[in-house]
Amino acid sequence: DAGVIQSPRHEVTEMGQEVTLRCKPISGHDYLFWYRQTMMRGLELLIYFNNNVPIDDSGMPEDRFSAKMPNASFSTLKIQPSEPRDSAVYFCASSLRPPNQPQHFGDGTRLSIL
Amino acid sequence: DAKTTQPNSMESNEEEPVHLPCNHSTISGTDYIHWYRQLPSQGPEYVIHGLTSNVNNRMASLAIAEDRKSSTLILHRATLRDAAVYYCIRSNAGGTSYGKLTFGQGTILTVHP
Repeated sequence: DAGVIQSPRHEVTEMGQEVTLRCKPISGHDYLFWYRQTMMRGLELLIYFNNNVPIDDSGMPEDRFSAKMPNASFSTLKIQPSEPRDSAVYFCASSLRPPNQPQHFGDGTRLSIL
Repeated sequence: DAKTTQPNSMESNEEEPVHLPCNHSTISGTDYIHWYRQLPSQGPEYVIHGLTSNVNNRMASLAIAEDRKSSTLILHRATLRDAAVYYCIRSNAGGTSYGKLTFGQGTILTVHP
């Protein structure tokens, strides 16, 4: 079975540019989560969706960050404009109904903003 | 904020059992206890979870204290591939924190050959 698929795996871009991270959840999973991991702050939940609807975006750091889920098989996390402090590894995860079902994580996107 | 307390690091020898402790003294009756691990340069990987009873799967066992204020993840025979950061997480079945996983710093497990 295909797991959660994230793209790109690595992204290097200059400050001020728009960055779009993509995620394809496991088929049939109706929950999708976006996380960010840094050395300083560890692994943080940014936002999660249920049936393509954002449920909790309290972890989104500021208005420069936005996330969408136009359909059950695709989600994007966008940063515009990007800043060096946005450099991190971004993970997407999907699950069936939590918390009695595990979350399955993708391999992450390593983002570097110069 | 779903808080748990774990040791910063632990060490084990290959093929020996490993007991990773977790304290969650403020756990509520609807909180599940989840364990995830993260190998270097990979995303977190689900290990096991439970609510009240001890749980076993192919990867590990989860022993939950009777008062549910602590739990222990048991790796029965550690291998070098088990070297990772292990996260113990409370996940709530209700309220504003529904289904959310709040990762702490975890326990860095080192396995010696």
